[in-house]
Amino acid sequence: AQRVTQPEKLLSVFKGAPVELKCNYSYSGSPELFWYVQYSRQRLQLLLRHISRESIKGFTADLNKGETSFHLKKPFAQEEDSAMYYCALKGAGSYQLTFGKGTKLSVIP
Amino acid sequence: EAGVVQSPRYKIIEKKQPVAFWCNPISGHNTLYWYRQNLGQGPELLIRYENEEAVDDSQLPKDRFSAERLKGVDSTLKIQPAELGDSAVYLCASSLGPSNTEAFFGQGTRLTVV
Repeated sequence: AQRVTQPEKLLSVFKGAPVELKCNYSYSGSPELFWYVQYSRQRLQLLLRHISRESIKGFTADLNKGETSFHLKKPFAQEEDSAMYYCALKGAGSYQLTFGKGTKLSVIP
Repeated sequence: EAGVVQSPRYKIIEKKQPVAFWCNPISGHNTLYWYRQNLGQGPELLIRYENEEAVDDSQLPKDRFSAERLKGVDSTLKIQPAELGDSAVYLCASSLGPSNTEAFFGQGTRLTVV
């Protein structure tokens, strides 16, 4: 079974402070990991995926297989980063995305 | 490009009534998904279509839920009869194919059963 855990329901940080949104997963094989974001009154959209090893809007995430984690990080938070963030996993050979419960990031001006 | 279009955006119905949601995926996307998102939870897959074929409906409560994707384009998700616990946001998503990793989501339909 595959499972995604986001331990924080809400994370508040000041503008300019570093951000780390935690994501831990449970999966026996080699998963694909993703971060999705939902801004207020907008649709859910892909932010980044681990296989791309890219930085989007200043966010990065590194897959740590030893710790089964895929934390999302940004060195300096901006007000426009305030949103719901969902970590998601797709198992090898599976077409199903399993989402975490989400973390609401609030950036305080 | 309008993206994935869903209607209605909001629906309030009394329990035991039927309800239907409609989804128009991005043109050319063969794979279509229906997800349900309960309050405070992440989306959970209900059914996945490859063209007009439902290839994964293992999590669809078949006693009251049904879905169809005629001609492999638009899709409809139906609940009959609705129960209080069905209150949730129903999300439709589409992707080019099953192995394409990026799914594009619609705005969702927020269902309230009273």
